Amino acid sequence: QVQLQESGPGLVKPSETLSLTCTVSGDSITTSYWSWIRQPPGKGLEWIGYIYTSRTTNYNPSLKSRVTISGDTSKNQFSLKLYSVTAADTAVYYCARLSRSAWNPAHFDSWGQGALVTVSS
Amino acid sequence: QSALTQPASVSGSPGQSITISCTGTTSDVGDYPHVSWYQQHPGKAPKLMIYDVYNRPSGVSDRFSGSKSGNTASLTISGLQAGDEADYYCSSYTSSATLVFGTGTKVTVL
Repeated sequence: QVQLQESGPGLVKPSETLSLTCTVSGDSITTSYWSWIRQPPGKGLEWIGYIYTSRTTNYNPSLKSRVTISGDTSKNQFSLKLYSVTAADTAVYYCARLSRSAWNPAHFDSWGQGALVTVSS
Repeated sequence: QSALTQPASVSGSPGQSITISCTGTTSDVGDYPHVSWYQQHPGKAPKLMIYDVYNRPSGVSDRFSGSKSGNTASLTISGLQAGDEADYYCSSYTSSATLVFGTGTKVTVL
């Protein structure tokens, strides 16, 4: 049974960098796709990006210039960095496992509980 | 990439069936079999209900079913129950090897 847990600061100042880590148990980050998704308060889900085999990444084009997802195989963790944040980046951030189908990353089958990050001075 | 289009709300009485649509383009829903559906109760993480258009994960009730025609996928909930009241999101793989979510649908059980 795979489990994911987000951790990181709950408050970030405007123009600074949002940093979150997802700790995975029950699976290895080297063998699956791992993703970040966010949800602003009262709004819908937005896919941020994924990392595969702790090296290959792909990002939402609307966030690509401000996002980095990386992996730490020694700790079985993957991380999100979102640069130059504004109030519009206030959201619940989820990490999730992205399962493959026909070799494509296809569906999110396990989710963390989510971490609320507020951008405010 | 643009979000997939879902109706903002759908409602039904207990025992009835409802269908939620999810409309994309030939670059996502229309060209790939990787459409999935998620149920989200308030304050909770989303839960996978359907994957690859019509497949149900173990433990998901067979009252939930999925289908696709052209650029539009659909989720049908049969025998509607009070516990089905939640937000529902579709998602699709895209031609850019990215993922995109739908706008979300609030299901109300009358």
